[in-house]
Amino acid sequence: DIQMTQSPSSLSASVGDRVTITCRASQSISSYLNWYQQKPGKAPKLLIYVASSLQSGVPSRFSGSGSGTDFTLTISSLQPEDFATYYCQQSYSTLYTFGQGTRLEIK
Amino acid sequence: EVQLVESGGGLVQPGGSLRLSCAASGFTFRSYWMHWVRQVPGKGLVWVSRINSDGSSTSYADSVKGRFTISRDNAKNTLYLQMNSLRADDTALYYCARDGGSSGPLDYWGQGTLVTVSS
Repeated sequence: DIQMTQSPSSLSASVGDRVTITCRASQSISSYLNWYQQKPGKAPKLLIYVASSLQSGVPSRFSGSGSGTDFTLTISSLQPEDFATYYCQQSYSTLYTFGQGTRLEIK
Repeated sequence: EVQLVESGGGLVQPGGSLRLSCAASGFTFRSYWMHWVRQVPGKGLVWVSRINSDGSSTSYADSVKGRFTISRDNAKNTLYLQMNSLRADDTALYYCARDGGSSGPLDYWGQGTLVTVSS
């Protein structure tokens, strides 16, 4: 199975900060990398697909980049509603896998 | 509006069985692959299984292979997960999710149904 490793596992930041979360795959996954946001008690929400495509309705302060094994999710200017947990997920293999999550907290 | 509504969760004893359902509406269900993802409360997301649009192809995580069976009824717009030989570590919130296309993002999710395996 392809292992997905996110870093950091948790992050404290302030409103207005620029934040970057990293996701590394255990083997090349081309651009088959997706990012999700999850708030407490809610289902995950798709933010970014195929590494850098913004899902409809997602604010442009979210962006994704990378290919092969290394990927990043960037939030250009944190808003109060962005404090949540973020997950990467690979869809290269028929057995999908998620990263362990990055919890973004208010500093 | 796309809607996915899971049901069928509950309390079951170790070794028991349960069948989850996911009722889909607001889109052409028969055209989309579907997935099940689970989450232990307070922990991360774990992909469980997926099925292609006509039900002819399925995949499973190693942790559930041989115990869980994914299926679908396109006439009823419903996705299923038959769970047998349940173990305590199967306790989780189970989400169904729609596969958004060939690149595989899960673009719509239900709210989940809770499965608790305990004696």
